[in-house]
Amino acid sequence: EAGVTQFPSHSVIEKGQTVTLRCDPISGHDNLYWYRRVMGKEIKFLLHFVKESKQDESGMPNNRFLAERTGGTYSTLKVQPAELEDSGVYFCASSRTPVPYNSPLHFGNGTRLTVT
Amino acid sequence: KNEVEQSPQNLTAQEGEFITINCSYSVGISALHWLQQHPGGGIVSLFMLSSGKKKHGRLIATINIQEKHSSLHITASHPRDSAVYICAARRRGGSRLTFGEGTQLTVNP
Repeated sequence: EAGVTQFPSHSVIEKGQTVTLRCDPISGHDNLYWYRRVMGKEIKFLLHFVKESKQDESGMPNNRFLAERTGGTYSTLKVQPAELEDSGVYFCASSRTPVPYNSPLHFGNGTRLTVT
Repeated sequence: KNEVEQSPQNLTAQEGEFITINCSYSVGISALHWLQQHPGGGIVSLFMLSSGKKKHGRLIATINIQEKHSSLHITASHPRDSAVYICAARRRGGSRLTFGEGTQLTVNP
């Protein structure tokens, strides 16, 4: 099966611009997660979709970040307007079954975002 | 203080050495994940465990729930094992993972 794919792999934008990251989970995976790693810090949770619904968005840093998952398939994460501190690597992950069944997580290769 | 702490942050070994990476956590968990990230690459899930021990090839992961501690061992290490190893805890009753900062492992030939 195809893995989790993320697009683009790299993005360099100027402060104030808008960027949209995309994640295609493994087919049939209802659970989709967004995480990010900013320079020098640990990976942190952003949000969790179950199908098209936001199950937990408590990790979203502020209202400049908007995540969607229309139709419960792929997801987008839009940053508008981007700030310097948004630079980092954004990871997407998917899994088949939800907690507490603890099915394995499959990660994408990440999108490296640089805001200048 | 992070809820998940890893040690060491950096580890250099010679090919063939036995390697141990440690992970301590401070919250009740339903599962603990060990992940691997190669330079420039994505993250690969190595193990997910909630008790005892799991083995896959030269990799072994153990967890002690009472002590809130997990270890990842690599036997007969090889340069291709060089990567960042990350532990991540899933809180009991929740869906999110809380990550450690990772351990950069370098295995020299």
